Amino acid sequence: AQTVTQSQPEMSVQEAETVTLSCTYDTSESDYYLFWYKQPPSRQMILVIRQEAYKQQNATENRFSVNFQKAAKSFSLKISDSQLGDAAMYFCAYRRANTNAGKSTFGDGTTLTVKP
Amino acid sequence: DAGVTQSPTHLIKTRGQHVTLRCSPISGHKSVSWYQQVLGQGPQFIFQYYEKEERGRGNFPDRFSARQFPNYSSELNVNALLLGDSALYLCASSLALHPSTDTQYFGPGTRLTVL
Repeated sequence: AQTVTQSQPEMSVQEAETVTLSCTYDTSESDYYLFWYKQPPSRQMILVIRQEAYKQQNATENRFSVNFQKAAKSFSLKISDSQLGDAAMYFCAYRRANTNAGKSTFGDGTTLTVKP
Repeated sequence: DAGVTQSPTHLIKTRGQHVTLRCSPISGHKSVSWYQQVLGQGPQFIFQYYEKEERGRGNFPDRFSARQFPNYSSELNVNALLLGDSALYLCASSLALHPSTDTQYFGPGTRLTVL
């Protein structure tokens, strides 16, 4: 079974600084997708960024970028120029390719605090 | 456009009771998934429904059941509630069953407390 591990229960960053959230996963599959989700205190979870395992290029979405290391099974999220609105719980998730879209495996999350 | 909606927002039940949670997907979305998020943990997959058929089931007991209606809304039912069923129940909708990259949109969740 696939597992996702987020080893940092809590992280903090100064506003305008950069922070990196770690995620490792375990799978025997070669084709899969990785995601970072943000869950603010209001609880509605939203997709931050997505990475296809077959792509070597790291995904980037504005201030959010990932460092995908397939051999090491590592998928970290870098948030640049941190803003107060970035404060939330961040979840790393895995989804096997060629399977139904709904079955994702999530890590236990990292709570990010942004200090003004 | 309205996002994924869930009702009720909060619910308090006692052990042994039954509960029904409801979810309305984004208009046009045919796939609905249910997740259980225990405090301090990540969401755990419970079910996925697509076109009114169950297409995936997580490692949950038979006390958990769900269904999807012709308008693609969905209900999650939990029988014989246990204290351990206390959690935030999330519903997520997506446009289709495939491809796997289809984005899931989550609702705000229903907070269930079992006393």
